[in-house]
Amino acid sequence: SQQGEEDPQALSIQEGENATMNCSYKTSINNLQWYRQNSGRGLVHLILIRSNEREKHSGRLRVTLDTSKKSSSLLITASRAADTASYFCATSPSTGTASKLTFGTGTRLQVTL
Amino acid sequence: DAGVIQSPRHEVTEMGQEVTLRCKPISGHNSLFWYRQTMMRGLELLIYFNNNVPIDDSGMPEDRFSAKMPNASFSTLKIQPSEPRDSAVYFCASSLHSSGNTIYFGEGSWLTVV
Repeated sequence: SQQGEEDPQALSIQEGENATMNCSYKTSINNLQWYRQNSGRGLVHLILIRSNEREKHSGRLRVTLDTSKKSSSLLITASRAADTASYFCATSPSTGTASKLTFGTGTRLQVTL
Repeated sequence: DAGVIQSPRHEVTEMGQEVTLRCKPISGHNSLFWYRQTMMRGLELLIYFNNNVPIDDSGMPEDRFSAKMPNASFSTLKIQPSEPRDSAVYFCASSLHSSGNTIYFGEGSWLTVV
């Protein structure tokens, strides 16, 4: 079963705009990660945020984590056509096998010129 | 550095045939994962190895699926006999346990069972 649910399922924006994707999860986590998948390719790790962190930045990416609401958001600023991809959140459980990541359903982002 | 290498990239096979998917993890990584991706079910973890030992195979759909990791640089996922509902993209991924659980994916094996 899916641990994370991304929202929206699909997002279409114009180049230069910001894109925000949300992820909700159900159980306690050790960390939450975001991955990108280009069409026909494997997933690529973008950023990891630990359960004791609230915000993290990496280049044009900003991730927030609210463990009380069991939710995270990924913000891509000044989007580019090359950002067109599917974005997945993945959670690492706080109990059991920490390496057992569970992926959400993904958000398909389309950035148009 | 080479990433996770999977083969074949694409395979079309007839129902009932045996399918073997292969994976070479990133050198030095001690954890290996097999995932399956479909439109209906998304990304599902099938099995996870740590130091070549299967740790969690609860995601393996049924007895038709088996996975092995005979050494640190090679793993196989076998489906015997294959069925049309096994059509999916199968991803192998690896990680270094101490790296904060970031995992590195291969490009996937696209399987079609007709």
